[in-house]
Amino acid sequence: KQEVTQIPAALSVPEGENLVLNCSFTDSAIYNLQWFRQDPGKGLTSLLLIQSSQREQTSGRLNASLDKSSGRSTLYIAASQPGDSATYLCAVTSGTYKYIFGTGTRLKVLA
Amino acid sequence: KAGVTQTPRYLIKTRGQQVTLSCSPISGHRSVSWYQQTPGQGLQFLFEYFSETQRNKGNFPGRFSGRQFSNSRSEMNVSTLELGDSALYLCASSLEHRNSPLHFGNGTRLTVT
Repeated sequence: KQEVTQIPAALSVPEGENLVLNCSFTDSAIYNLQWFRQDPGKGLTSLLLIQSSQREQTSGRLNASLDKSSGRSTLYIAASQPGDSATYLCAVTSGTYKYIFGTGTRLKVLA
Repeated sequence: KAGVTQTPRYLIKTRGQQVTLSCSPISGHRSVSWYQQTPGQGLQFLFEYFSETQRNKGNFPGRFSGRQFSNSRSEMNVSTLELGDSALYLCASSLEHRNSPLHFGNGTRLTVT
C-alpha cells in the first residue's frame, strides 16, 4: 500500500531564506509526482509535476527533484517571500489513475 | 479560461440526509476526480471519472457515489450523512489523468449536524 509522508509538518523561516521541503513515498512504482500549494480555505494550486522518467522540474523560484529508487522528492524554494506562506502537499500517482497525497508541510515565511 | 467550478461553496445538512455536490471542469478536460479533506485524515481520493466512466475508486463506503455527464461535468452524492462526513470536498480536473497536472476547484465545505 502506497504511503506518502512529508517532513517537517510545519516550518517557519525569515524572508529571503532558501528552503527545502521533503516528500517520501513507500512504493517506487509511480507514474508521476506532483507538488501543490494550498491557501487556507481554498483548493490546491499545481506547482510542478515530475514524470517518473524525469529527475527534476523548475518553475521560477521553485525546483522539484525526484529520486524514484529511494522514494524521495524535494521541493526547493529560493529566496522565500511572505507570499509563499501556505501548506505544501505532494502527491504520487499510484496504481491506476489514483493520487495519494502526503500530509503536507505548513510553511510560514516571516517578513 | 475559466477554472474548475464547484457548487455550492458551503452546505449544512443534518445526519441521515443526502447531499449532491457539483463540479464543472476546465473546458476540454475530460478527467474529473474527487477528494475528501479533513484535519485528521488529510486529503483522500474518492473516485475518478473519464468520459463518463469511473476508472478508479478510493476506500470509501458505498454511501459515496459519483457520476460524470457527457459534457464532463461531474456530481458526487453522499447518502445517509454521518457526522464524520463533515469535510472539504475537492474536485480536480485534468486533460488526461495520469501525466497531466491536476487543477482543483475551491471545494465545497460540508457540515453535518
